[in-house]
Amino acid sequence: ETGVTQTPRHLVMGMTNKKSLKCEQHLGHNAMYWYKQSAKKPLELMFVYNFKEQTENNSVPSRFSPECPNSSHLFLHLHTLQPEDSALYLCASSQVSEVTRSPLHFGNGTRLTVT
Amino acid sequence: QQQVKQSPQSLIVQKGGISIINCAYENTAFDYFPWYQQFPGKGPALLIAIRPDVSEKKEGRFTISFNKSAKQFSLHIMDSQPGDSATYFCAAIDNYGQNFVFGPGTRLSVLP
Repeated sequence: ETGVTQTPRHLVMGMTNKKSLKCEQHLGHNAMYWYKQSAKKPLELMFVYNFKEQTENNSVPSRFSPECPNSSHLFLHLHTLQPEDSALYLCASSQVSEVTRSPLHFGNGTRLTVT
Repeated sequence: QQQVKQSPQSLIVQKGGISIINCAYENTAFDYFPWYQQFPGKGPALLIAIRPDVSEKKEGRFTISFNKSAKQFSLHIMDSQPGDSATYFCAAIDNYGQNFVFGPGTRLSVLP
């Protein structure tokens, strides 16, 4: 069982579809993240949940909607996406306290293709 | 100021050679610098990390060199192997931030 599990691994969706990405972490961490990875671009932070509260929304379009029901699960709900949203979506977790922060632990991502 | 620059974009090294990837930053508040390794079809995995109170950290064949005054740090892979072929990302964060800032990545190919 890997530390951070993402499903599905691949997703093809039309621009009018609604789908959700799922992430589960088994590391006991208290913070979870969504990153977007596009070719030849730095990893882009989308959302951060710290103690289940969203603490950062990096100017992400409203067609992406995160949900964090507990500290182990994170979802990314998708609707009316655009072709330029095609990318690898990575979930990560870390342990955050007032004095320190552990490194990010990533899942293997969901390869999303919007047609 | 939040940007981390990384070079080269791609690197080809012969087996047994030394691979060197360089990163530079502007934000002097950054105090933690990890390197991540990503194989095709996988997520990035932490390789090695350094804090600015040391100038060098070595773990096996992997070494980070850190130059605080120049605001630069680099990854050296000694005795490079074909299995090291992957994309490498440097990153930085300050202790009060939520966001790890990543470099754009270096695609390393080690020829057998």
